[in-house]
Amino acid sequence: AQSVTQLDSQVPVFEEAPVELRCNYSSSVSVYLFWYVQYPNQGLQLLLKYLSGSTLVKGINGFEAEFNKSQTSFHLRKPSVHISDTAEYFCAVSVAGGSYIPTFGRGTSLIVHP
Amino acid sequence: DTGVSQDPRHKITKRGQNVTFRCDPISEHNRLYWYRQTLGQGPEFLTYFQNEAQLEKSRLLSDRFSAERPKGSFSTLEIQRTEQGDSAMYLCASSLDGVGTEAFFGQGTRLTVV
Repeated sequence: AQSVTQLDSQVPVFEEAPVELRCNYSSSVSVYLFWYVQYPNQGLQLLLKYLSGSTLVKGINGFEAEFNKSQTSFHLRKPSVHISDTAEYFCAVSVAGGSYIPTFGRGTSLIVHP
Repeated sequence: DTGVSQDPRHKITKRGQNVTFRCDPISEHNRLYWYRQTLGQGPEFLTYFQNEAQLEKSRLLSDRFSAERPKGSFSTLEIQRTEQGDSAMYLCASSLDGVGTEAFFGQGTRLTVV
C-alpha cells in the first residue's frame, strides 16, 4: 500500500522569503502526486499535480513542485510567500493501475509572518 | 456548477445518537469519496463509490458507519450509536473517472459528540 510522509508539521517563514514543503512517498508502482491547500474553514483545493512527463510542475498561486523518482519525493516550493499563503498544505498520492484513491499525508502548516 | 456541497456544516450530538450527513457531488462526477479528518491529521479514506456502487471501504469504517449513493447522485453517511471518538471533520469529494483525475472537496461536516 502507498503512504505519504510530510516530515514538517509546521513551517514558519517571513513574508517574501522562499519556502519548501517536503513530501516523500512510498509505493512499489508508479504513482500520481498531488498537492492540496486548505484555508481555515474551507475545503481542500488542488494546487498542482504530477501525472507524467516533465518533473517540474507549476501550479496556482506561484507554487511549483518537482517530482524526484529516485528520492521518492515531491517537494512543494514558492520563491516568495505572501501572508495569504498561510494555510495547511497536504501532499497526496494515488497508485497507477489501482483504484486511484488518493492517500494523504498529515499536512504541513505554513505560517507566514509579516 | 457550485462544486461539492455538504450538509450540515456542523453537527453536535449526544453520545449514542445516530447522525446522517449528506454530500452532493459535482453533477458529472461519477466517483465520490468520504474521508475523515481529525485535528492535526490529513484526510483519512473511509469509502468510495463509482456511480451507485460502493467499491471500497477502509478498515476505519466500523459496522456503525454506513454510506449510500442511491442512483449515483448524492450520498449519505450515517453513523449509528455515536461515540466521542467519532468527533471529526467528515469530508466528501468527487472526481471524474480516469487516470490521475483530481478530487474536488466539499467544505466538510464537523461532528462533535458530547
